Amino acid sequence: ILNVEQSPQSLHVQEGDSTNFTCSFPSSNFYALHWYRWETAKSPEALFVMTLNGDEKKKGRISATLNTKEGYSYLYIKGSQPEDSATYLCALENYNQGGKLIFGQGTELSVKP
Amino acid sequence: NAGVTQTPKFQVLKTGQSMTLQCAQDMNHEYMSWYRQDPGMGLRLIHYSVGAGITDQGEVPNGYNVSRSTTEDFPLRLLSAAPSQTSVYFCASSYSAGGTYEQYFGPGTRLTVT
Repeated sequence: ILNVEQSPQSLHVQEGDSTNFTCSFPSSNFYALHWYRWETAKSPEALFVMTLNGDEKKKGRISATLNTKEGYSYLYIKGSQPEDSATYLCALENYNQGGKLIFGQGTELSVKP
Repeated sequence: NAGVTQTPKFQVLKTGQSMTLQCAQDMNHEYMSWYRQDPGMGLRLIHYSVGAGITDQGEVPNGYNVSRSTTEDFPLRLLSAAPSQTSVYFCASSYSAGGTYEQYFGPGTRLTVT
């Protein structure tokens, strides 16, 4: 079983703060790295899928980068808002195992007004 | 489209009882998966299917059975429920979009085993 690690486990910030968290994964056999956003009492929803070393993706105030050589991805939130409060999950998709994702344990973000 | 649907939403079982969690999708996705979510452990893959008639084990398959007789349905069977199976169960479906597989999740089933 491959280890996908996320840090920190939880984060408490004030409205307006910018924040970032990390997803680390084994770089051998890498195919894609997924980020999901999971609000309490809802289902996880896809944010980004990245495949190439150096990939950067952006959706509004949220962006992500990927380094496949060293095995990490960063998720950034600029100017956090209370509605950004959620658990952010990353998941590794390995080559030739499409559809089988290995998830990290998540980073729980709480944004106080 | 209803997307991915799961029934029931909540269930309480006694130790030793069996039951089936239902999952259906109407998006014609080839891949379907079952995950369980436990505090501090993210989502762990139980079983997955790459198409009708084909299933395989994930990280934590013990105590669970699956079958996939149609593209739409992927039920998860608990053979003899144990308190360690108390969890929230998510079903997901996916398809290859440019070579990667973005997952679409159902609303979850919260199971308690007493």
